[in-house]
Amino acid sequence: SQQGEEDPQALSIQEGENATMNCSYKTSINNLQWYRQNSGRGLVHLILIRSNEREKHSGRLRVTLDTSKKSSSLLITASRAADTASYFCATAQGAQKLVFGQGTRLTINP
Amino acid sequence: NAGVTQTPKFQVLKTGQSMTLQCAQDMNHEYMSWYRQDPGMGLRLIHYSVGAGITDQGEVPNGYNVSRSTTEDFPLRLLSAAPSQTSVYFCASSSRDGESYEQYFGPGTRLTVT
Repeated sequence: SQQGEEDPQALSIQEGENATMNCSYKTSINNLQWYRQNSGRGLVHLILIRSNEREKHSGRLRVTLDTSKKSSSLLITASRAADTASYFCATAQGAQKLVFGQGTRLTINP
Repeated sequence: NAGVTQTPKFQVLKTGQSMTLQCAQDMNHEYMSWYRQDPGMGLRLIHYSVGAGITDQGEVPNGYNVSRSTTEDFPLRLLSAAPSQTSVYFCASSSRDGESYEQYFGPGTRLTVT
């Protein structure tokens, strides 16, 4: 069974607005990663946050991790049409075994 | 660098046929994995390898075989295709660089079993 659960499953916002996606997981982790998937393409790594970190930034991306609640959030600020994609969280318990959530489908309307 | 390459891009099989999905990476990564993605779903791990000669099962290994004879290649074999194996298959590789395990994905193989 999949460990990560994303919320919401789908999100539609206007260009320029901020988008927030949440991820919950069940067991202890080494790190949590966020990936983006454009339609019909492979996944692209966005950002990784380790279990001893609480917040991380990369450009317009901000990720938080709350290990006590077993949850993470991904914030995309000042959204653009090119941000339209599916976003997946993945938890890493060991070196190689990433467990993916079902994803949030984000649509940015012009 | 080409990164992670997968062939073929598309494949249609009849039930019972066998085939091999190819995956290669040129980044000298130790770790390689195979995932399947079904409509509206995330990725599920089929098999993975932590180095040449070492493979292990993931979440959904039944009906698939793998081997890792070189660092670069990690083929996935479907032994006797079934309609339930209709899916998009992704290969990924990663390196233990500061224990980040960031994975690099190939473009995928879309498989239909009739």
